[in-house]
Amino acid sequence: QSALTQPASVSGSPGQSITISCTGTSSDVGSYNLVSWYQQHPGKAPKLMIYEVSKRPSGVSNRFSGSKSGNTASLTISGLQAEDEADYYCCSYAGSSLYVFGTGTKVTVL
Amino acid sequence: EVQLVESGGGLVQPGRSLRLSCAASGFTFDDYAMHWVRQAPGKGLEWVSGISWNSGSIGYADSVKGRFTISRDNAKNSLYLQMNSLRAEDTALYYCAKENFDYWGQGTLVTVSS
Repeated sequence: QSALTQPASVSGSPGQSITISCTGTSSDVGSYNLVSWYQQHPGKAPKLMIYEVSKRPSGVSNRFSGSKSGNTASLTISGLQAEDEADYYCCSYAGSSLYVFGTGTKVTVL
Repeated sequence: EVQLVESGGGLVQPGRSLRLSCAASGFTFDDYAMHWVRQAPGKGLEWVSGISWNSGSIGYADSVKGRFTISRDNAKNSLYLQMNSLRAEDTALYYCAKENFDYWGQGTLVTVSS
């Protein structure tokens, strides 16, 4: 059970688009369409932003979108806003009732 | 409104035990799997354990397998984590989360130190 690999940091200017990658293996990301993404502001609990690769929960801005190709999932934030500055984590089902989170990415709005 | 409230955290010596609880409300508890996820100070999220609605399927992270036991009491709408043989590296904020990680509690802090 190794953590999924994410870039440590990604930055962008307001209005720009950024993409965060999440690389796993054929045993987790590559095998299941059960990748989700979470936003976490300092001192707060994580918030679900994307589930089942590309689905958005009610209330989440459509500026957030998800995709997957092979063993790598991606989260794209378009029209970057100051409030998007936070840590982001991916998570994948890994079979046999196991889950694995990503290493986390700090998003900075310049 | 879905609410998850963790309790039971605290300061404990290495090698000792602690039992965490998570009280759920606002949804039909016995319809959903539940999870424990932890976050060490300044670090990322780590999935710890998950349990199906009927306790028939249970999974543990390698880091806690053999030391931690997850359980639930559907009659009490409660989730538990029995933590034995605690180590310094188990120090973290422990969250409980609903099945698809769509709802999270605010966490309970466990500190393992002599």
